[in-house]
Amino acid sequence: NAGVMQNPRHLVRRRGQEARLRCSPMKGHSHVYWYRQLPEEGLKFMVYLQKENIIDESGMPKERFSAEFPKEGPSILRIQQVVRGDSAAYFCASPPAPNQETQYFGPGTRLLVL
Amino acid sequence: AQKVTQAQTEISVVEKEDVTLDCVYETRDTTYYLFWYKQPPSGELVFLIRRNSFDEQNEISGRYSWNFQKSTSSFNFTITASQVVDSAVYFCALSEARDYKLSFGAGTTVTVRA
Repeated sequence: NAGVMQNPRHLVRRRGQEARLRCSPMKGHSHVYWYRQLPEEGLKFMVYLQKENIIDESGMPKERFSAEFPKEGPSILRIQQVVRGDSAAYFCASPPAPNQETQYFGPGTRLLVL
Repeated sequence: AQKVTQAQTEISVVEKEDVTLDCVYETRDTTYYLFWYKQPPSGELVFLIRRNSFDEQNEISGRYSWNFQKSTSSFNFTITASQVVDSAVYFCALSEARDYKLSFGAGTTVTVRA
């Protein structure tokens, strides 16, 4: 997985709570993609970030979802006021170098909303 | 818009049989990249192979081989002499050079029986 880390691996939230998912690409790498795998919808692109910039958020739901990749620290995918439909596996991916075509995925965070 | 179609939902074979997974794609870009990823029961996404649009040479890597044909927009993947450990969901994916975000097919579940 080219050293892409995600935590937590599993997250349980009750409806209405907030979920924070973290992704750390390899040290020094500055590109992160987030994808969501819903049970009946497959893997879908959500957002593409570089350090301190959102490059493409065309796949993000319009409400309750936000993402950031600060200068220091991991990328955060934040889901406010979670609903049962948010239950999914969330993956982040990072290329091993800038403008590298191949994305390596982290292990994913399995979010379960009760 | 880019699109990836994996018509096969499930394939079941007996160990040592060959398995060929079909993938058809659509894109308007002249420069694009095709991938196969594997998702074993443990849930992580494992990169297998990548092919660039400008390189139609087909190759073999161990028990994996692929057949990329631009004329039919197909990128098929073969596992030779399948093993039980090959049991997984296999995803075909496409990215374009403008942003490298991945579009995935729906996946093909491969079950290899001993």
